[in-house]
Amino acid sequence: SQKIEQNSEALNIQEGKTATLTCNYTNYSPAYLQWYRQDPGRGPVFLLLIRENEKEKRKERLKVTFDTTLKQSLFHITASQPADSATYLCALELDNNRKLIWGLGTSLAVNP
Amino acid sequence: DAGITQSPRHKVTETGTPVTLRCHQTENHRYMYWYRQDPGHGLRLIHYSYGVKDTDKGEVSDGYSVSRSKTEDFLLTLESATSSQTSVYFCAISENSGMSTGELFFGEGSRLTVL
Repeated sequence: SQKIEQNSEALNIQEGKTATLTCNYTNYSPAYLQWYRQDPGRGPVFLLLIRENEKEKRKERLKVTFDTTLKQSLFHITASQPADSATYLCALELDNNRKLIWGLGTSLAVNP
Repeated sequence: DAGITQSPRHKVTETGTPVTLRCHQTENHRYMYWYRQDPGHGLRLIHYSYGVKDTDKGEVSDGYSVSRSKTEDFLLTLESATSSQTSVYFCAISENSGMSTGELFFGEGSRLTVL
């Protein structure tokens, strides 16, 4: 069956460290993969999009990798801050169908 | 922040009653989406629209209908609400007309409770 998995357990890290979140998928061949941040009671907020032919993408303290062989994306937040505490969602997009497939999200807590 | 407004933000209703949720955007984006978010499930697409009067079903469309008579408004209707439709509903918009959906901008959500 097709599925997309993110770390189910909450991730707790110390301020200043690098947070690494994982998104694994099976039986999909996504053309794009997106990462969003969601705070409690709010809608998701877009962070980064990476294409299947891109290995890595960066935006300020954020970095996303996309390994289509391993069927995995890693999302890194360097020099993490308590304000980075949130749930992070990954979403796959299959080619040209405009229907994103969403993971359940990973909760990140950055402790001061 | 993208100009997306959802209304109502909270609603409690009884089984069997009709409910309409409204999404209003001021960005003039072409694509609009309705998602629901439930514990244990990722965001799931209900319906989406690719233009005025142009809509298509998502993965959980049963029991829902939509309408888009103007670019800025996308309505989600539950003709006869059931308890299984208790959820948080999110509207999203995007403009990317290329191969990818591109960045989605989400509203703040509408929490619906069906008793």
